[in-house]
Amino acid sequence: KAGVTQTPRYLIKTRGQQVTLSCSPISGHRSVSWYQQTPGQGLQFLFEYFSETQRNKGNFPGRFSGRQFSNSRSEMNVSTLELGDSALYLCASSSRGAGVTDTQYFGPGTRLTVL
Amino acid sequence: GQQLNQSPQSMFIQEGEDVSMNCTSSSIFNTWLWYKQDPGEGPVLLIALYKAGELTSNGRLTAQFGITRKDSFLNISASIPSDVGIYFCAGNGNAGNNRKLIWGLGTSLAVNP
Repeated sequence: KAGVTQTPRYLIKTRGQQVTLSCSPISGHRSVSWYQQTPGQGLQFLFEYFSETQRNKGNFPGRFSGRQFSNSRSEMNVSTLELGDSALYLCASSSRGAGVTDTQYFGPGTRLTVL
Repeated sequence: GQQLNQSPQSMFIQEGEDVSMNCTSSSIFNTWLWYKQDPGEGPVLLIALYKAGELTSNGRLTAQFGITRKDSFLNISASIPSDVGIYFCAGNGNAGNNRKLIWGLGTSLAVNP
């Protein structure tokens, strides 16, 4: 079974631009979560989507948004990029429904650099 | 955001030595997960724990879910060079429908051959 895939793997943008990152979960997984990883803050939860609905949200500004499609693929968008948005953005998928703890499997991440 | 207290922050050991790291939380968790991350890659799940007191092994790795449900540890026996990486603990509370994982800041492990 193929793992979680993320595209692109690397991205360089300038301040003020916007960016869209893509994630394809493991086949059959319906939950997709996004995380921002920086050396000083570790992994910070952005949001989770399940069956095309945002189910949980972290403490990030509205510039960070996401969506999920009917095939469970997910995208996240960051508008008006700031230098501090430079990070590794990780996507994780899991299989189970709401209210059940389950295990998340991560993709390799998209390394975003904002100049 | 909320984080777990993971220690030690880094370790430098000789090949063949055993390693122990732990995570503590101020709140009760229902799940403890241990991940390893190699440079440029996403975290890979090593061990998942779902019950207080549970002791689970995966090869040379052993992890335990603390009785108080506020801590967990990971042991690596007879370390080898490929154990190098960053090890993260993550916990999942059960506040309503909150399924967000809370993460430690990682333990960076270096192994001297």
